[in-house]
Amino acid sequence: EAGVAQSPRYKIIEKRQSVAFWCNPISGHATLYWYQQILGQGPKLLIQFQNNGVVDDSQLPKDRFSAERLKGVDSTLKIQPAKLEDSAVYLCASSSEGISYEQYFGPGTRLTVT
Amino acid sequence: DQQVKQNSPSLSVQEGRISILNCDYTNSMFDYFLWYKKYPAEGPTFLISISSIKDKNEDGRFTVFLNKSAKHLSLHIVPSQPGDSAVYFCAASGDDKIIFGKGTRLHILP
Repeated sequence: EAGVAQSPRYKIIEKRQSVAFWCNPISGHATLYWYQQILGQGPKLLIQFQNNGVVDDSQLPKDRFSAERLKGVDSTLKIQPAKLEDSAVYLCASSSEGISYEQYFGPGTRLTVT
Repeated sequence: DQQVKQNSPSLSVQEGRISILNCDYTNSMFDYFLWYKKYPAEGPTFLISISSIKDKNEDGRFTVFLNKSAKHLSLHIVPSQPGDSAVYFCAASGDDKIIFGKGTRLHILP
């Protein structure tokens, strides 16, 4: 079974530039999550999708971050414009419906904002 | 406001001995507690879980203990092996979301 795929793996941008991350969850997983993990911290949920609808985006900085999950499969997370404090690893995870505590994570995208 | 706390940033254990990782939480409404393991440059991997209605769950070398009155859980790894060297995240689940602790880096010494 293929795991959660993410790209790119690494990205370096200057502040005020924009960036986009892509995620392909495990086939059949209805729920998709985007997390931000700052160095030395645990993953923090940014947004949760159930199929192509948003379940929770309460911690998403909506003035600069946006995410979509068209057709209930792949998802993209965008930052525009980026700030220095956005430097982090962005993790995508997916889970089966009804088993949200067992999430499968992708390798993450390490973003450096200079 | 940290709802899940791992107070030990790192832990070193001799190979073959028992590793004990600790975690405290504040919200009594969590229904599952979890441990995830993370190697460098990889995403976290689900390791073991325990329902809030149980006090122990065992899976091979890994055992998780839950003390609801103390709002405390622990992960025991015995015997510890070199491949266990990783960052371990304690997490709590409720309302279809997971809240993670900051992690504990476990070093298994030869």
